[in-house]
Amino acid sequence: TQLLEQSPQFLSIQEGENLTVYCNSSSVFSSLQWYRQEPGEGPVLLVTVVTGGEVKKLKRLTFQFGDARKDSSLHITAAQPGDTGLYLCAGAKGAQKLVFGQGTRLTINP
Amino acid sequence: NAGVTQTPKFQVLKTGQSMTLQCAQDMNHNSMYWYRQDPGMGLRLIYYSASEGTTDKGEVPNGYNVSRLNKREFSLRLESAAPSQTSVYFCASRYRVLLETFFGQGTRLTVV
Repeated sequence: TQLLEQSPQFLSIQEGENLTVYCNSSSVFSSLQWYRQEPGEGPVLLVTVVTGGEVKKLKRLTFQFGDARKDSSLHITAAQPGDTGLYLCAGAKGAQKLVFGQGTRLTINP
Repeated sequence: NAGVTQTPKFQVLKTGQSMTLQCAQDMNHNSMYWYRQDPGMGLRLIYYSASEGTTDKGEVPNGYNVSRLNKREFSLRLESAAPSQTSVYFCASRYRVLLETFFGQGTRLTVV
């Protein structure tokens, strides 16, 4: 059973389009993080959201934490080929454990 | 800055063989983790160590053992490898919760 469900699992769009990736759970998390992973590399942190309803922007990427701290979304505006990668959400359970979603594999076509 | 260093990067084992994956971090982090990554499954926690001298099971600990040798090093051992353990293994470390978890480059393990 996946504690964090990401959708879609695969997304292929054209350069310049907008997209949203969702991360949903029935559990409450104390914080949620988004990571991006390139082939052959480990995941790299993009953002951490802590407060319910929080919105953070990182250039063309907008991250939102749900009011109830059970879900999150990642919105990319005007996607570029450099955005291609595997996007992972991860929720903190307790003081030590980080639980990951199954990932969204994003491909931006030129 | 080396960050988190894992060895080896690639390994092929026969069923029943044993091996140890090595991991070291140079960031003075308290917590260290071992994850496995399989297609469509994301990253699943195998074992973690909240501090030197302590280890705890994660979601999928069966078939694995770990050792937190000192603050820098955290190794993962497969005593008798099985094809189901074919995966990419990531070691990670973190200073404390809410801060960034740093990952190594991964070990691609194939058990035949």
